[in-house]
Amino acid sequence: DSGVTQTPKHLITATGQRVTLRCSPRSGDLSVYWYQQSLDQGLQFLIQYYNGEERAKGNILERFSAQQFPDLHSELNLSSLELGDSALYFCASSVGGRSYEQYFGPGTRLTVT
Amino acid sequence: TQLLEQSPQFLSIQEGENLTVYCNSSSVFSSLQWYRQEPGEGPVLLVTVVTGGEVKKLKRLTFQFGDARKDSSLHITAAQPGDTGLYLCAEFSGGSQGNLIFGKGTKLSVKP
Repeated sequence: DSGVTQTPKHLITATGQRVTLRCSPRSGDLSVYWYQQSLDQGLQFLIQYYNGEERAKGNILERFSAQQFPDLHSELNLSSLELGDSALYFCASSVGGRSYEQYFGPGTRLTVT
Repeated sequence: TQLLEQSPQFLSIQEGENLTVYCNSSSVFSSLQWYRQEPGEGPVLLVTVVTGGEVKKLKRLTFQFGDARKDSSLHITAAQPGDTGLYLCAEFSGGSQGNLIFGKGTKLSVKP
């Protein structure tokens, strides 16, 4: 158990809908990262938050957004969902803003039908 | 953007065999990490290598970092079914960003 929690574990929704994925980092970790894992693209970085502020952006679509709250949990919002958004979404956390050791949650499997 | 090439893409072996998987880049790594991911789970960090020529051991797993810091290998001795999973190498994207760039991984299956 990495100490990072993600909910829900599975999510099935229809095209055009909006969903919110939630992540709670390990106790004491200030950074939260979101990654998307698909069969063809592998693990791709989406966005990083550090102590409530956006720190870095990767290949995140404009339809996607995220935030980190004062209690350091984070939410990833995916809207106008398309079939191609079906993937595993992982949250990771680390102590600092640029830490070697990132701890991954169990992921949320999103299926868009 | 640094690209990490992992090989082989798939590997299926019998219990007790030895194996080596590789991670290569055209650029120099500042550091390199190896993760293992089991089906339905998130990646779990196995090791971080930083110094060229570094060798680290974790039970039956031996990790090597190339002298020029452009390649790394993971060797498993006497593989067991519990070693089955996706092995990923990853490196920092660089600059002030803290995110990791991952290779596509080697999918290992160890049959009893």
